[in-house]
Amino acid sequence: DVKVTQSSRYLVKRTGEKVFLECVQDMDHENMFWYRQDPGLGLRLIYFSYDVKMKEKGDIPEGYSVSREKKERFSLILESASTNQTSMYLCASSDRGFFQPQHFGDGTRLSIL
Amino acid sequence: SQQGEEDPQALSIQEGENATMNCSYKTSINNLQWYRQNSGRGLVHLILIRSNEREKHSGRLRVTLDTSKKSSSLLITASRAADTASYFCATKGGDWGSARQLTFGSGTQLTVLP
Repeated sequence: DVKVTQSSRYLVKRTGEKVFLECVQDMDHENMFWYRQDPGLGLRLIYFSYDVKMKEKGDIPEGYSVSREKKERFSLILESASTNQTSMYLCASSDRGFFQPQHFGDGTRLSIL
Repeated sequence: SQQGEEDPQALSIQEGENATMNCSYKTSINNLQWYRQNSGRGLVHLILIRSNEREKHSGRLRVTLDTSKKSSSLLITASRAADTASYFCATKGGDWGSARQLTFGSGTQLTVLP
């Protein structure tokens, strides 16, 4: 069965800290995605990667960076956390192709104090 | 930018009734997908409909797509309490530049009362 694992379900950090969110998929998928989910706004794409060491900005990349050194792992980095980055973060992966669905992890609820 | 907008934002029905959720989008698409999210969990893919299809079925799910109106609907028949969740539509663009990513709407919260 397909599995996308996010390293933490809940995380509390302080403003100004550098925060790392990790995501691992076991399906050998080319594409990986980071979203944030806020009430009333749905899912907004932060960054995605379609190959190792490749990345593309999504709709809201400001304040974030990503790293994909291995195919199975995609990391989201908050360079200097701020309170407006308190949110639910969701990682997803998909195989190549127009008609491939995305498979999601269970999310990390991040609070920045 | 948000592509899909779901309607209604919230829906409450009795067990056994049908639930209909609608999605509108703005630009041309290659396909439209529906996802479900249980509280506190990630999204789960339900069904995909291609731009050249008008209707698709999967179990108790029926999806329609009207590309002339840029809208889709998801019908869940004979609903159960376990169908209580948020439902999201997501579109994949028709051009190569937007082919890899999905654009999600804000979702419909469905509550099925026992």
